[in-house]
Amino acid sequence: QSVLTQPPSVSEAPRQRVTISCSGNSSNIGKNAVHWYQHIPGRAPRLLIYYDNLLPSGVSARFSASKSGTSASLAISGLQSEDEADYYCAAWDDTLNGLVFGGGTKLTVL
Amino acid sequence: LLVESGGGLVQPGGSLRLSCAASGFTVSSNHMSWVRQAPGKGLEWVSVIYSGGHIYYADSVKGRFTISRDNSKNTLSLQMNSLRADDTAVYYCARDPGVGLLLGMDVWGQGTTVKVS
Repeated sequence: QSVLTQPPSVSEAPRQRVTISCSGNSSNIGKNAVHWYQHIPGRAPRLLIYYDNLLPSGVSARFSASKSGTSASLAISGLQSEDEADYYCAAWDDTLNGLVFGGGTKLTVL
Repeated sequence: LLVESGGGLVQPGGSLRLSCAASGFTVSSNHMSWVRQAPGKGLEWVSVIYSGGHIYYADSVKGRFTISRDNSKNTLSLQMNSLRADDTAVYYCARDPGVGLLLGMDVWGQGTTVKVS
């Protein structure tokens, strides 16, 4: 059972938009920066979003994120087959004194 | 660039030391973490050493794993003792360049596999 809650899977057609939610509490998302990662099995995870909603250089502007209270979400627009991957949210938890990840969301591009 | 090494097959109760060599940046100037992924599972944070030296561990490894850095070699290490079957995973080292807070891990190694059996 992950501290941050994500849907196990989402799917959408190419060129459409999908959102992935991440629910936490006042000790983690409510107080600290949320990061989002893309992970394709067999490869190293890739940072998509840092400090709640900022894009690292080199990450497509098709990725965006937001945070409100104790929840966050990642949006991917203009879906492409290459976006098929597992997506994780993460945030520091002040109660656990550790970084917590969501359980991951598997994105399928239909 | 981060390159991990030291993974392998070890018996339950055994020990292993993972290393992560950094190039292109200074380990001690960044927050450095170990993150693992067990077979069929999601990402799990293991430990962090902040640039200022503070260290934290996941409850699942506390008392068994020790994170450290060697500034002279620009490397990060993870000493793993009393290994259990559920420590079997691919272990990644990662950099977070945040100032003070963890903001996001932007550089990751390719991972090293630990199997406890």
